[in-house]
Amino acid sequence: KQEVTQIPAALSVPEGENLVLNCSFTDSAIYNLQWFRQDPGKGLTSLLLIQSSQREQTSGRLNASLDKSSGRSTLYIAASQPGDSATYLCAVNNAGNMLTFGGGTRLMVKP
Amino acid sequence: DAMVIQNPRYQVTQFGKPVTLSCSQTLNHNVMYWYQQKSSQAPKLLFHYYDKDFNNEADTPDNFQSRRPNTSFCFLDIRSPGLGDTAMYLCATSRELAVYEQYFGPGTRLTVT
Repeated sequence: KQEVTQIPAALSVPEGENLVLNCSFTDSAIYNLQWFRQDPGKGLTSLLLIQSSQREQTSGRLNASLDKSSGRSTLYIAASQPGDSATYLCAVNNAGNMLTFGGGTRLMVKP
Repeated sequence: DAMVIQNPRYQVTQFGKPVTLSCSQTLNHNVMYWYQQKSSQAPKLLFHYYDKDFNNEADTPDNFQSRRPNTSFCFLDIRSPGLGDTAMYLCATSRELAVYEQYFGPGTRLTVT
């Protein structure tokens, strides 16, 4: 059974810092991995999708990497802003497009 | 433009009173999913439809049912809600199974009193 872990569970940084969120998974037989953002009381916004054959994806200030063999992904956020404050979830897609989510990292960026 | 729409956004129901949550999509995707997310927890897949084929997760309670009358709409029915069913319910779609991205709606926050 796939297990997904996100470290740290919470993170507080001053505005402008570059930061890294970590995601690890136990079963490397994945189709892809998605990073999501969730604001309090809201749904999920997809940030980046990395297919199993890819090493990284970039969107604006966000860069996600995938090392499938070691069961790890990182989300890099450059020049963090208060508007980046949210919970970030990674989800791994195994057989049949079933997403298994990590517990999330709650990010607070202070002005 | 909203692509995955959920109604209502907030729902309060009484213990044991049936409730239906609605999801619609404008993406014409084949697959629709329902997830349950309890407070401070990760979303958990309840079931999904691939076209008209229903697929239930092994540990989804029998109390939860779903209907998909057409490509655009999918409903989540909770026959006899318990207090433990208080949660955010998230609907998602994907074009096909396997390698495709999932798109989520804004969620319905259900409170059972």
